[in-house]
Amino acid sequence: AQSVTQPDIHITVSEGASLELRCNYSYGATPYLFWYVQSPGQGLQLLLKYFSGDTLVQGIKGFEAEFKRSQSSFNLRKPSVHWSDAAEYFCAVHGGATNKLIFGTGTLLAVQP
Amino acid sequence: DVKVTQSSRYLVKRTGEKVFLECVQDMDHENMFWYRQDPGLGLRLIYFSYDVKMKEKGDIPEGYSVSREKKERFSLILESASTNQTSMYLCASSAIRTANNYGYTFGSGTRLTVV
Repeated sequence: AQSVTQPDIHITVSEGASLELRCNYSYGATPYLFWYVQSPGQGLQLLLKYFSGDTLVQGIKGFEAEFKRSQSSFNLRKPSVHWSDAAEYFCAVHGGATNKLIFGTGTLLAVQP
Repeated sequence: DVKVTQSSRYLVKRTGEKVFLECVQDMDHENMFWYRQDPGLGLRLIYFSYDVKMKEKGDIPEGYSVSREKKERFSLILESASTNQTSMYLCASSAIRTANNYGYTFGSGTRLTVV
């Protein structure tokens, strides 16, 4: 069965520091992978997606993610975090046959001044 | 700009009330979904629909029902609200042919409190 694991429930980084949020997936075929961000009290906004081609994908707000098939990972990165990046981040995998997105439990990012 | 609109941002209802959460999308998407979001549990799928008058149970359908009479509207119904249904509810939609590639579009959410 498809599943997504985000091992870090809560992360705190200093403004200007680099960021990496971890995501591991379980899926038999080539996965379709997504990262969403949720600001407080808001819905989810798509940051980036991977479904084929270059394994390093660029998204909005300066984020990028790298698909590593050998590690079943799709980690999200940003070289320099801004205070406005404080939010909850969700990794998701789409299983084609089920036509459903499966979400991880999320990582809450806090940014220290 | 494409939109998924949830009619209420905040709702407070009493135990035992029948509650309707409404969701409308303007993208002519075939698929629509209802999730609930709770701290530490992420997003859990309640119900989804691939077409008008069609519905399928998600992972946690107990205590909920849905209605999809028109393509653009997907309603979540709490037949008799209970305090354990206090949560954030998120509606989403996607096109059948592009769901794999483009994921879902989400509404802003409805925070429901049952007292």
